[in-house]
Amino acid sequence: QSALTQPASVSGSPGQSITISCTGTSIDIGHDDLVSWYQQHPGKAPKLMISHVTRRPSGVSDRFSGSKSGVTAFLTISDLQADDEADYHCSSYTSRNSLIFGGGTKLTVL
Amino acid sequence: QLLESGGGLVQPGGSLRISCVGAGLTFSTNRIHWVRQAPGEGLLWVAGITIDGGFANYADFVRGRFTISRDNARNTVYLYLNSLRADDTALYYCTTSPPTSWVPFNNWGQGTQVTVFS
Repeated sequence: QSALTQPASVSGSPGQSITISCTGTSIDIGHDDLVSWYQQHPGKAPKLMISHVTRRPSGVSDRFSGSKSGVTAFLTISDLQADDEADYHCSSYTSRNSLIFGGGTKLTVL
Repeated sequence: QLLESGGGLVQPGGSLRISCVGAGLTFSTNRIHWVRQAPGEGLLWVAGITIDGGFANYADFVRGRFTISRDNARNTVYLYLNSLRADDTALYYCTTSPPTSWVPFNNWGQGTQVTVFS
């Protein structure tokens, strides 16, 4: 099964907002609301930022928000900060009882 | 809270067993997964196992070659990697999900490196 499609890179200036897209199909993102987003700083393990499309785990800043439309999920980061610079990975559970990730998006804070 | 070990260098066609030990968390009440990441690449889910070890789920590209198991008495999950190929080279992360769901991945270890070389 092919990976979810994410842009390779996005960028924004401090204080701005950015949105990362994650496009799948009807058997994954379009199938249910089991979409998650992970942040990964260089050389570090991933960290859960958003689950179930919109849920923010305890301790995650409310500057991070998730949404979905059809077969595309979105991660929005508002009020960009230097420490937000990282790779962001989306994932989805599928109707075939497997899990797939996107290729990852590198966020650069200018 | 999750500590992986057992990675190393292995030739194509070889085998390896990697381990994940959970400390400071209720290990037996979490599903456990392995997720890998090749250098400069994205994340790939490899396998997952239920809290009692009664059911395991695998990605198509490892089914029949890799086996996941767990020993709750030792707070340990294992991944047996057989018939290894060059494209299995990656950092292998151990991660948890809730007891009745395959997602999301709440806790992550720091990973153990598996390198398949000829």
